Amino acid sequence: SAVISQKPSRDICQRGTSLTIQCQVDSQVTMMFWYRQQPGQSLTLIATANQGSEATYESGFVIDKFPISRPNLTFSTLTVSNMSPEDSSIYLCSVGTQYFGPGTRLLVL
Amino acid sequence: GENVEQHPSTLSVQEGDSAVIKCTYSDSASNYFPWYKQELGKGPQLIIDIRSNVGEKKDQRIAVTLNKTAKHFSLHITETQPEDSAVYFCAAILWGSGGGADGLTFGKGTHLIIQP
Repeated sequence: SAVISQKPSRDICQRGTSLTIQCQVDSQVTMMFWYRQQPGQSLTLIATANQGSEATYESGFVIDKFPISRPNLTFSTLTVSNMSPEDSSIYLCSVGTQYFGPGTRLLVL
Repeated sequence: GENVEQHPSTLSVQEGDSAVIKCTYSDSASNYFPWYKQELGKGPQLIIDIRSNVGEKKDQRIAVTLNKTAKHFSLHITETQPEDSAVYFCAAILWGSGGGADGLTFGKGTHLIIQP
């Protein structure tokens, strides 16, 4: 099993600023995933983060907007850059298909 | 890429009755189909899953069926209880032979309401 924590749990940010979300896993994992869940919507994969390599982004998501770090096998960060109100969402990290973090609720004003 | 359709978007059933949520997928290569329950303010929780070499799987009050030919799979909840009220998501993925995988493609979710 894996326990995933995320920081911050929620934040309110001003447009044009950036926020870095942290994801910590209690065991070593090769692959981590970042998802976005817009209000009342489903989850959409942003990118896959493997330790030691560049993240792989899905169509519609770019590294300049959502830079990801994966410095070791238990940790990853997702930065939401130059935020606009359309970035208001829940951002979740996951390990495999079974374990999801609790999410970071972001509101951009 | 994969596309997953989920119906209905909202389902209201009387406590004790059964609930069925249906999903279809587009990529015949997908071979793993999990279902998640998401309660307010929490991340998705895996409740049951099925692989493409199995037609049905059951875990107490929850069952999942898969029709590979028709590319659809369904979640069945029997004897529903108030704590079953939540949003349920289906998903599909091609799980690689090396054990790695691309991310999940989710359906749009079903808000299940259990009426007392």
